[in-house]
Amino acid sequence: DTEVTQTPKHLVMGMTNKKSLKCEQHMGHRAMYWYKQKAKKPPELMFVYSYEKLSINESVPSRFSPECPNSSLLNLHLHALQPEDSALYLCASLGGTGELFFGEGSRLTVL
Amino acid sequence: GENVEQHPSTLSVQEGDSAVIKCTYSDSASNYFPWYKQELGKRPQLIIDIRSNVGEKKDQRIAVTLNKTAKHFSLHITETQPEDSAVYFCAAPRPTSGTYKYIFGTGTRLKVLA
Repeated sequence: DTEVTQTPKHLVMGMTNKKSLKCEQHMGHRAMYWYKQKAKKPPELMFVYSYEKLSINESVPSRFSPECPNSSLLNLHLHALQPEDSALYLCASLGGTGELFFGEGSRLTVL
Repeated sequence: GENVEQHPSTLSVQEGDSAVIKCTYSDSASNYFPWYKQELGKRPQLIIDIRSNVGEKKDQRIAVTLNKTAKHFSLHITETQPEDSAVYFCAAPRPTSGTYKYIFGTGTRLKVLA
């Protein structure tokens, strides 16, 4: 299995809602990433987990809360988001050769 | 710093011509240089990479060259085809806190005109 699976594919939420994005990989990779991607822009690093511990937080607002329940799962909890947070959220895992394996992304719209 | 500069931001070529995209990095700790292709509406995918102990790597129509002294690396696509149209991102992952801080260049939108 060489896939990174993200759910949901699409999410629409209001500014007062609480929702979660989920990411799963079964390749045995020990580092997992969250990126935010706006249209016509590169993926922007948000968080990195290594061996289930948060290693990198790129000064992301606290309305985004990551969680790594185990080495295969990565969640991104969303609360009190703003319309400007609407974007494609990409999860990725780091292979042994240095390659990042991306999921298809969750397209988030905040109303 | 850990910036990766990428040029050009857009590139249009005739089918069959070559395309070259250049990246410059700042962190000398980087030793792995991948290139990703992102087609419209799809996820980024690795197309070729190079490590700091080699100067050039080729895979069919694509090649990557690295000049570690000057801290720049380039993607070369020969005999371009319409399916090469996509956005290309370089990266220069930096070893950090037991993992890699994976920052992407600003991207190059390549259009191959039939």
